[in-house]
Amino acid sequence: KQEVTQIPAALSVPEGENLVLNCSFTDSAIYNLQWFRQDPGKGLTSLLLIQSSQREQTSGRLNASLDKSSGRSTLYIAASQPGDSATYLCAGFFRDDKIIFGKGTRLHILP
Amino acid sequence: ETGVTQTPRHLVMGMTNKKSLKCEQHLGHNAMYWYKQSAKKPLELMFVYNFKEQTENNSVPSRFSPECPNSSHLFLHLHTLQPEDSALYLCASSEARQGVNEQYFGPGTRLTVT
Repeated sequence: KQEVTQIPAALSVPEGENLVLNCSFTDSAIYNLQWFRQDPGKGLTSLLLIQSSQREQTSGRLNASLDKSSGRSTLYIAASQPGDSATYLCAGFFRDDKIIFGKGTRLHILP
Repeated sequence: ETGVTQTPRHLVMGMTNKKSLKCEQHLGHNAMYWYKQSAKKPLELMFVYNFKEQTENNSVPSRFSPECPNSSHLFLHLHTLQPEDSALYLCASSEARQGVNEQYFGPGTRLTVT
């Protein structure tokens, strides 16, 4: 059974620190992996998408990596700010056309 | 309007009511999706339309009925819902169902069934 897991479910970090969010998946036949942020009661905002042929993508203070062999993706956030507080979700797009989301990591940046 | 819009943003309905959720995308995409987000559960993909044709129905009860009249609009018709159907319903679009498939989401409709 395909699963996407995000651990921890919640994380608190002091402002200014660098941090890493984790996403693991059980099926290595992954096509793409997409990271999103979701603010309370809102929709999902796309952050980064990594295709299976890529190993990482960068946008501003965000860097996402993908390691198919180990079934892992990480989202690195540099110099965290209070405005980064949100829930971060990863979604795997698999070669059998399945789209599987993780439950998310709720991030709180402490001022 | 830009991106993906959804109306209404909030909806309260009784179990015998009939209502519809609307989604519109202004991105020129050809694939549209309905997702359900319940508390403490991952997003669940409900329906997929690709070039106006329904390509996926992930075992969704028949009290949810999707409609896609063109590539820009997607509806979710609701009737005789149950309290456990209360959730955030999210619409998304992508260029097409296959390929890079980067998804863009709307703000969601918060549905409460009383």
